[in-house]
Amino acid sequence: DIQMTQSPSTLSASVGDRVTITCRASQTISNSLAWYQQKPGKAPNLLIYKASTLESGVPSRFRGSGSGTDFTLTISSLQPDDFATYYCQQCDSSPYTFGQGTKLDI
Amino acid sequence: EVHLAESGGGLGHPGRSLRLSCVASGFAYDKYDNHAMHWVRQAPGKGLEWVSGISWNSVTLGYADSVRGRFTVSRDNAKNSLYLEMNSLRAEDTAFYYCAKDIGAYDSRGFDSWGQGVLVTVSS
Repeated sequence: DIQMTQSPSTLSASVGDRVTITCRASQTISNSLAWYQQKPGKAPNLLIYKASTLESGVPSRFRGSGSGTDFTLTISSLQPDDFATYYCQQCDSSPYTFGQGTKLDI
Repeated sequence: EVHLAESGGGLGHPGRSLRLSCVASGFAYDKYDNHAMHWVRQAPGKGLEWVSGISWNSVTLGYADSVRGRFTVSRDNAKNSLYLEMNSLRAEDTAFYYCAKDIGAYDSRGFDSWGQGVLVTVSS
């Protein structure tokens, strides 16, 4: 199985900051990576798929990049609504494993 | 907008069975059977765990190692429905279970619609 490792586990930031979350796959997955945002008590919400394609309706301050084994999610200017937990997921092969999550808080 | 609604959660006893269902609606210019479907779970306070997935035509099925041999995924495209038969329940199966719609039809590209989740608690 492909293991996904996110870092950091927790990230403290302020409104207006630029933040980057990284995700590393245990083997190459081409660009088969998705990013999700989850708020407490809610289902996850797809932000990015195919490593860098922005899901419809997602603000352009979210940007995904990377290929192979190393990926990043960058939020260019944090808004109050962005404080949440973020997960990466490999979509290359079953089982479609998630990273352990990165909690972004103030 | 696609809406997914899970049902069938609740209290399950160790070694016994539960069946989850998920009904999809709101496919304005799309069809349910254009998409693979998945189950994802989340233990309280923990991260996301992919549980199982099924291709649009039910030909390709996948399971996490933690549930393989105990859980069975199926779908009924005529009813826009997805199911998860959970047998030999264990305490570690306690979690919120989400059904999720894939962007793709066969394997996975990402899950663009999610249900609200249903809680399964396994306890004697």
